[in-house]
Amino acid sequence: DAGVIQSPRHEVTEMGQEVTLRCKLISGHNSLFWYRQTMMRGLELLIYFNNNVPIDDSGMPEDRFSAKMPNASFSTLKIQPSEPRDSAVYFCASSLVLSNTEAFFGQGTRLTVV
Amino acid sequence: GENVEQHPSTLSVQEGDSAVIKCTYSDSASNYFPWYKQELGKGPQLIIDIRSNVGEKKDQRIAVTLNKTAKHFSLHITETQPEDSAVYFCAASNMRFGAGTRLTVKP
Repeated sequence: DAGVIQSPRHEVTEMGQEVTLRCKLISGHNSLFWYRQTMMRGLELLIYFNNNVPIDDSGMPEDRFSAKMPNASFSTLKIQPSEPRDSAVYFCASSLVLSNTEAFFGQGTRLTVV
Repeated sequence: GENVEQHPSTLSVQEGDSAVIKCTYSDSASNYFPWYKQELGKGPQLIIDIRSNVGEKKDQRIAVTLNKTAKHFSLHITETQPEDSAVYFCAASNMRFGAGTRLTVKP
């Protein structure tokens, strides 16, 4: 397996535009996590899914952020409208089961909102 | 929810010395404690983990200890090498991470 795949690797967009980040899970994994990493706030857990169902979205900063799992192997994180303070590296990670097991991270998407 | 605190935020050691990073957690129900290493431009990667039914686990130069009573666990790296330089994160069961420790190993 190629591991968790995120796209794009880099995204530069203008304030107010919609941004969609994509993540392909490792085949057979049932849990999916989205994180945001900044110097100030570290690695923040935004939302996680188990068997395609969102379990906890308490980390999602605002209603401008939304995440979906249209199928068992794919997820999107959407920001609409984007703001400069959304600039960060966004990671997704997948694991075999929801808890107490290793999470495998993608390479991340570096988002810059100008 | 679970709160994980990690110290120190930065750590600089001489090659060959040991490095220790400490974490505390708040939820007594947590029973899985992984440590991740993040190299520049990459996602975090698991290096070692420990479950609450053991107090210590070792893998070559890396060891982790767990004190459930005190709710803290630590990462120990012995005989450090320049390639150990990275950011290290601890986490608790619910996949919330500590703030990270930037380790620099000086040759």
